[in-house]
Amino acid sequence: QSALTQEASVSGTVGQKVTLSCIGNSANIGSYAVAWYQQISHGGPKTVMFGDSLMSGIPDRFYGSKSGTTASLTISTLQPEDEADYYCSSWDNSLNAYVFGTGTKVTVL
Amino acid sequence: EVQLVESGGGLVKPGGSLRLACEGSGFAFSDAWMSWVRQAPGKGLEWIGRIKSGSNGGTADYPAPVRGRFSISRDDSERTVYLQMNSLKTEDTAIYFCATEHYYFDYWGQGALVTVSS
Repeated sequence: QSALTQEASVSGTVGQKVTLSCIGNSANIGSYAVAWYQQISHGGPKTVMFGDSLMSGIPDRFYGSKSGTTASLTISTLQPEDEADYYCSSWDNSLNAYVFGTGTKVTVL
Repeated sequence: EVQLVESGGGLVKPGGSLRLACEGSGFAFSDAWMSWVRQAPGKGLEWIGRIKSGSNGGTADYPAPVRGRFSISRDDSERTVYLQMNSLKTEDTAIYFCATEHYYFDYWGQGALVTVSS
């Protein structure tokens, strides 16, 4: 049972800006920082960012934001290597558990 | 370089048990909180529990769906965290990842496949 809702798919051409959203509630995104993970072909996920901090080695075309109970991950200039599944995650104090989003498949046209 | 390597996956019958192991290297293992996350075929990620570092009590926490069936332990001398899974169900079929945890999951292993089927 995913507590966070994401778009099923987002697509764009090389160089285009795309934004992924992650909708939660006051028990999770509204109270805690959000992390974003990139997963290619069901391999081990890679952490992209936590809060507004980009992980080491992640290009700065990725940036995150949050407003209320919705978080967003923006890729400012989409590249072929960005094609992957992206998951958001946060702690949830009503479930006392980490919750993940439903996942967004990013396709580079 | 941080590395996490899961092992112990395989085929098990419904009602059976299985223990996964995750060996870590390249970081201060005894100080790390360690989590397990799984991914059913074609599905998203699901957190299934964590164990705190010894200095934080070494206790484990589990979400409701697996509480009572799954247990997590650690052996800091072996730099290994374990996931003991009992009373397995077909819906437990998934890739199981271990990850270091520090308010989020910063490093991940490549996963171990567990298939529960008769």
